[in-house]
Amino acid sequence: EAGVTQSPTHLIKTRGQQATLRCSPISGHTSVYWYQQALGLGLQFLLWYDEGEERNRGNFPPRFSGRQFPNYSSELNVNALELEDSALYLCASSFLASGFQETQYFGPGTRLLVL
Amino acid sequence: DAKTTQPPSMDCAEGRAANLPCNHSTISGNEYVYWYRQIHSQGPQYIIHGLKNNETNEMASLIITEDRKSSTLILPHATLRDTAVYYCIVRVPASGTYKYIFGTGTRLKVLA
Repeated sequence: EAGVTQSPTHLIKTRGQQATLRCSPISGHTSVYWYQQALGLGLQFLLWYDEGEERNRGNFPPRFSGRQFPNYSSELNVNALELEDSALYLCASSFLASGFQETQYFGPGTRLLVL
Repeated sequence: DAKTTQPPSMDCAEGRAANLPCNHSTISGNEYVYWYRQIHSQGPQYIIHGLKNNETNEMASLIITEDRKSSTLILPHATLRDTAVYYCIVRVPASGTYKYIFGTGTRLKVLA
């Protein structure tokens, strides 16, 4: 069974540009979560999408946004990039069972570098 | 804020058991304890989770104290490939789902 996949693996942008990161969940999973991991720091929760809707977001500015498509894949968009947006962006997926979300499984991440 | 505290680093000899402690003194009755590990900036890898009872799978064992205020992840025969940052997480209900609040984890180094 294929795991969570993310693309691209690396992305280099300049300050002020926009970045688009993509995630494909495990087959059968309807929820996608996005996390940011800055160098040397822990994972910070960004966004949660389920069944095409944004369900929750972490403490990040509105220039971090995304969407989930009918096939449950997801995009994370970061507008007006700042140097401190340089980080590893991780996507995780899970499925709804008995009314609650099961274990999250993570992809390999996209490393974004803002110059 | 993370609901768990872990030692920042530990060493373990190859072939020996690695015992990684975690304190979660404010855990609520229906909150699960999860363990993940992250090897050299790859995506976190799920290891195991539990609520009250001890759990074991092919990767590790999880021992949860009776009062649920702490737990220990046990890698029974550590190998060099187990060198990683290990995260103990309390899964917290949040707006219809669960938040995984990652702390800074324990950096385990397995020594040859």
